[in-house]
Amino acid sequence: EAGVTQFPSHSVIEKGQTVTLRCDPISGHDNLYWYRRVMGKEIKFLLHFVKESKQDESGMPNNRFLAERTGGTYSTLKVQPAELEDSGVYFCASSRDALSSYEQYFGPGTRLTVT
Amino acid sequence: AQSVAQPEDQVNVAEGNPLTVKCTYSVSGNPYLFWYVQYPNRGLQFLLKYITGDNLVKGSYGFEAEFNKSQTSFHLKKPSALVSDSALYFCAALSYNTDKLIFGTGTRLQVFP
Repeated sequence: EAGVTQFPSHSVIEKGQTVTLRCDPISGHDNLYWYRRVMGKEIKFLLHFVKESKQDESGMPNNRFLAERTGGTYSTLKVQPAELEDSGVYFCASSRDALSSYEQYFGPGTRLTVT
Repeated sequence: AQSVAQPEDQVNVAEGNPLTVKCTYSVSGNPYLFWYVQYPNRGLQFLLKYITGDNLVKGSYGFEAEFNKSQTSFHLKKPSALVSDSALYFCAALSYNTDKLIFGTGTRLQVFP
């Protein structure tokens, strides 16, 4: 069984540009989560999809961030326009269903650097 | 606000010595508790979890953690450290009525030969 994959592994963009991060969860997993770690700080929850629906987006920092999960498979997280404080590592995780939501499997992360 | 604290940014230990990485939590209800490890250029890997039952939980790579409800702690331990254990360790909690993990700031473990 393939794990959670994320693309790209690293992205360097200039302030004001747009970046789209992609996450492919483990096949068959209904739940998909996005988290972010800003340098030296804790990993913070951004949002949670159940299939294609946003279950909880309370951690999204502002309206420059847009997450989608069309068809309930892979998800994208778009940052537009990017700001310096958006730099960090973006992790995606997935879990099978509501009964096993605590078993979250993480991807390798995308390191975003905004210059 | 719910939180997880890892008071040490870095822990240094000699190979073969026991190690402890500290974690305390402030989460409502009876939380689920986790330890994850991140090796260089790798993603977060699950080490162990406490859901209920025995307070001493055993996990991957010889690690274990002890849940202490009165001290709201969940310290990670290993009897004999290896150089290959050097990595970034994250403690996390999940409140019973939510799916979002609450992480600590991470502790870098450095094991010296």
